[in-house]
Amino acid sequence: LAKTTQPISMDSYEGQEVNITCSHNNIATNDYITWYQQFPSQGPRFIIQGYKTKVTNEVASLFIPADRKSSTLSLPRVSLSDTAVYYCLVALTLGAGSYQLTFGKGTKLSVIP
Amino acid sequence: EAQVTQNPRYLITVTGKKLTVTCSQNMNHEYMSWYRQDPGLGLRQIYYSMNVEVTDKGDVPEGYKVSRKEKRNFPLILESPSPNQTSLYFCASSSLMNTEAFFGQGTRLTVV
Repeated sequence: LAKTTQPISMDSYEGQEVNITCSHNNIATNDYITWYQQFPSQGPRFIIQGYKTKVTNEVASLFIPADRKSSTLSLPRVSLSDTAVYYCLVALTLGAGSYQLTFGKGTKLSVIP
Repeated sequence: EAQVTQNPRYLITVTGKKLTVTCSQNMNHEYMSWYRQDPGLGLRQIYYSMNVEVTDKGDVPEGYKVSRKEKRNFPLILESPSPNQTSLYFCASSSLMNTEAFFGQGTRLTVV
């Protein structure tokens, strides 16, 4: 099971770009990298997933180097509402096409006015 | 609206009194799972199910049971709750071949 390591906390000012890096040294060939966001007392919310290179959606970008041993979530121009915990997960491939999501402790991002 | 619904949202119970937390999803997802979240420990998976009548243990299954008789429902059963099961519980669902999981609003359980 691929373990992930990410910073416990980060601070950023409003309007800045935030990059959160996660390491997953023993990621397996079929595993995907997924990021979730969680606000206090709410369930996690999917942000983005990727396998390799770069993925971008309306919320964030995900950069994955060729060796896939790390990934970086990039949040452009953060606002106060982006204050949350961000989880990096390696989605473990199960049989029948399902994935097991194992959450770590996440990175608590605090956006400062 | 696509959603995962858990009930109840809050529950206080006494040690040993059996309880069930219900979870229902309206997205026809095959995969459902239960997590508990505790301060300093993050989210830990309790049980998961890849389809009807197929369930498997997650990382912390002791003291819990689940069933998957219908595709949309995945109840979590505590046969004899203990204080160390006081926690915030989340149910989640996703479709096959997709790592995007949808989470319920959570159930805050207190066992006294």
